[in-house]
Order: sequence, then C-alpha cells, then structure tokens
Amino acid sequence: GAGVSQTPSNKVTEKGKYVELRCDPISGHTALYWYRQSLGQGPEFLIYFQGTGAADDSGLPNDRFFAVRPEGSVSTLKIQRTERGDSAVYLCASSGTSYNNEQFFGPGTRLTVL
Amino acid sequence: AQSVTQPDIHITVSEGASLELRCNYSYGATPYLFWYVQSPGQGLQLLLKYFSGDTLVQGIKGFEAEFKRSQSSFNLRKPSVHWSDAAEYFCAVGDNNAGNMLTFGGGTRLMVKP
Repeated sequence: GAGVSQTPSNKVTEKGKYVELRCDPISGHTALYWYRQSLGQGPEFLIYFQGTGAADDSGLPNDRFFAVRPEGSVSTLKIQRTERGDSAVYLCASSGTSYNNEQFFGPGTRLTVL
Repeated sequence: AQSVTQPDIHITVSEGASLELRCNYSYGATPYLFWYVQSPGQGLQLLLKYFSGDTLVQGIKGFEAEFKRSQSSFNLRKPSVHWSDAAEYFCAVGDNNAGNMLTFGGGTRLMVKP
C-alpha cells in the first residue's frame, strides 16, 4: 500500500505570508505526528494527533503554528506570518497506534522563507 | 526531559570495514529506542527498535544495536559496510508516556570510502 505522502514537496514563500503543509497518513493509522528538521539537525517534535484531536502540541514553537486533522486522516500544518527562521523540512509520520508502534515517515516538505 | 546525544557528527569508514555509531540517551524509565537512516532526498527509514526483552536487536540491512542500561547507550553496529550505507543516521528515544513522540539525536553522517 501507499506510504505517508506530503504535499507540496517544496514550498518557497515570502516573509510574512501564510502557508499550509499537507500530510496524508497511511490508511487506517490513528496516530499522526509532525516534526521539523532544520539543516544539519535531527527532527524535532511539533505535535501529535490521536484520531481527530491534538493529544500533545507541546512542540509547537509559538502561536503562529497550528495543525488540524478534522476527519482523523489527512492533517494540515498551518504557519501564519512566516519568518525566515521557519525555513526547514517539515516531516509527517503516522503509526497504527501511538504505543509500541513504528512511526512511518513521509518524504517531508522543504519550506523556504525568503 | 528526555534527550539523545550522538557524539560523532561525521564518520568515514572504508567499504568492507566494521562500523559502530554511538548513541547515548537520557530518559527516566525504560526507554523505547530507535535507529533511523535518512538518505539524501529520502524520508526516514526505521533500521531497528528496542522496546523490551533481548538487549541485542537485529534490524534491516545487516544492522544491529545493543541496549546497555548501565551506560545509557544504544550503539548501532554493522560488521561490513557497503557503499550504499552512506547516509545520515539518527538515534531516537520514544516517550511511552506521551504517545511515543520521538526525541532525536543530532545525527551522524556516514561516508564510505571505496
């Protein structure tokens, strides 16, 4: 079956603009995670969904970042008033349940803020 | 808070030589531990994981890792490296009290000499 997909693969925007990044998890996976990977660093946790609800959003850096998963499948990460420091690869992962299960990662969206 | 340290930023080995990548973690309870590999332009792929039981874990592509609680380590090993193993390797610890969100180390970039 299909893996985790993310769109777009690349996004270039100007400082101050709004962007949306989409994640399609593996069908049937209930847990969905967003991570951010800056150049030369490991991924950092942003937010985790169990079903439709955000179970843990402690990794979101500030209130410009928001994510939704309205039907418990596709998720959208939304960034308002983008800043140059938001430039990174945004990774999405899904798993069958949140415990004792492998997280399957998508290829990521590379966001560049000019 | 949990943390992961990968002391070696870059490692170069000759093809056919053995490999050991170091990983040290900090976590209050029994950890869930993972090794992921990331090739250029590719998503993160799980090599192996430790949840409980046998402390020597076998993974894909001939990799293995050993969990040593006394040393808070989970080093990755391979007896004979192939040129295709050149990639970035990430060690991660899962928070089993928080939906298994992952905390990653900074990564080790492996280069393989012919």
